[in-house]
Amino acid sequence: AQSVTQPDIHITVSEGASLELRCNYSYGATPYLFWYVQSPGQGLQLLLKYFSGDTLVQGIKGFEAEFKRSQSSFNLRKPSVHWSDAAEYFCAVGTYNTDKLIFGTGTRLQVFP
Amino acid sequence: KAGVTQTPRYLIKTRGQQVTLSCSPISGHRSVSWYQQTPGQGLQFLFEYFSETQRNKGNFPGRFSGRQFSNSRSEMNVSTLELGDSALYLCASSSGQDYGYTFGSGTRLTVV
Repeated sequence: AQSVTQPDIHITVSEGASLELRCNYSYGATPYLFWYVQSPGQGLQLLLKYFSGDTLVQGIKGFEAEFKRSQSSFNLRKPSVHWSDAAEYFCAVGTYNTDKLIFGTGTRLQVFP
Repeated sequence: KAGVTQTPRYLIKTRGQQVTLSCSPISGHRSVSWYQQTPGQGLQFLFEYFSETQRNKGNFPGRFSGRQFSNSRSEMNVSTLELGDSALYLCASSSGQDYGYTFGSGTRLTVV
């Protein structure tokens, strides 16, 4: 069965520092991978997605993620965090030919000035 | 281009009642899926509709049901509400898997 693990429940960084949020997935074939961000009381906003091709994916708001098949990982990175990046981040895996996403438990990002 | 619209934004219901939530997808999107988000269980898939047909269903009791209309708008219904049904219900639409999924702002359901 497909699953997604986000090992970090809560991360705190200083504004301007670099960020890496971890995501590991379990899926038998090449997965569709997503990162979403959620502000309090809001829906989910798509940051980036990976289906195939270049394993380094660029997204919105300066985020990028790298797909590493050998490690079953899809970590999200940002070189310099802004206070407005404080939110909850969800990694998700999609199964081929179905519109069903399996989400990780999320990582809450706190940014200190 | 309008996003995914969910109505209402907030609902308060009493145990035993039923509730209907609505989702209008982005124009041209034929796939609509529903998710329940709670602090304890996180984001869980409820069901997905494509061209008025339910293609996938999550592991929820039969009290949870849904449908999709010919204009792709979708509704989900929860009957005999329980306290544990209190959650943020999110709807997502898609024009194809390769394009990703756009979520609405959700409906916050509180069961008292």
